[in-house]
Amino acid sequence: GENVEQHPSTLSVQEGDSAVIKCTYSDSASNYFPWYKQELGKGPQLIIDIRSNVGEKKDQRIAVTLNKTAKHFSLHITETQPEDSAVYFCAAKRPSTNAGKSTFGDGTTLTVKP
Amino acid sequence: EAGVAQSPRYKIIEKRQSVAFWCNPISGHATLYWYQQILGQGPKLLIQFQNNGVVDDSQLPKDRFSAERLKGVDSTLKIQPAKLEDSAVYLCASTTMTLNTEAFFGQGTRLTVV
Repeated sequence: GENVEQHPSTLSVQEGDSAVIKCTYSDSASNYFPWYKQELGKGPQLIIDIRSNVGEKKDQRIAVTLNKTAKHFSLHITETQPEDSAVYFCAAKRPSTNAGKSTFGDGTTLTVKP
Repeated sequence: EAGVAQSPRYKIIEKRQSVAFWCNPISGHATLYWYQQILGQGPKLLIQFQNNGVVDDSQLPKDRFSAERLKGVDSTLKIQPAKLEDSAVYLCASTTMTLNTEAFFGQGTRLTVV
């Protein structure tokens, strides 16, 4: 089955700096890659996603890049703010006849220091 | 739009006892997932329903875990008997039947087995 590895497991940055989280996946058939943010005591919430027919997607301070050949994708957060502090998860999903299921990485704990 | 509702939020039980979790997905979402999230790890799929049928339960420890979605809406997940290693957050998520779309997560139930 699919295996997703995520690095680093923890990341600490100063407010205003950029943060980058990287993931690799094993199943070349995967074609949907969501990123989730999980705050303490809450469920994961989608912040951005990318499909395999594009290489990059941006939404304000957040961007995701995808390299299908190398089977890796990355989350970039620019101008970080304290409220960006949370656990971030990458995931990969392969095509399915139904809604499919996501395989998650083990998360990155991002701390933004004021 | 109401989100995914889960109850209870917290549960503490002794090993070998039984416990049940409840989930009400977003209205109209045909697909419902139960994930187990152990501290420091990403969510791991336990079972996926499409309407009231099971799509994937390959990772569900069927000797102690069971789940149902009788009317294709609400779902319950049961553990009997519980083990110490079942301590985790149990997340319910739902999505539409459309391929490559995000899953919406509930806040989860934090289970502690002592």
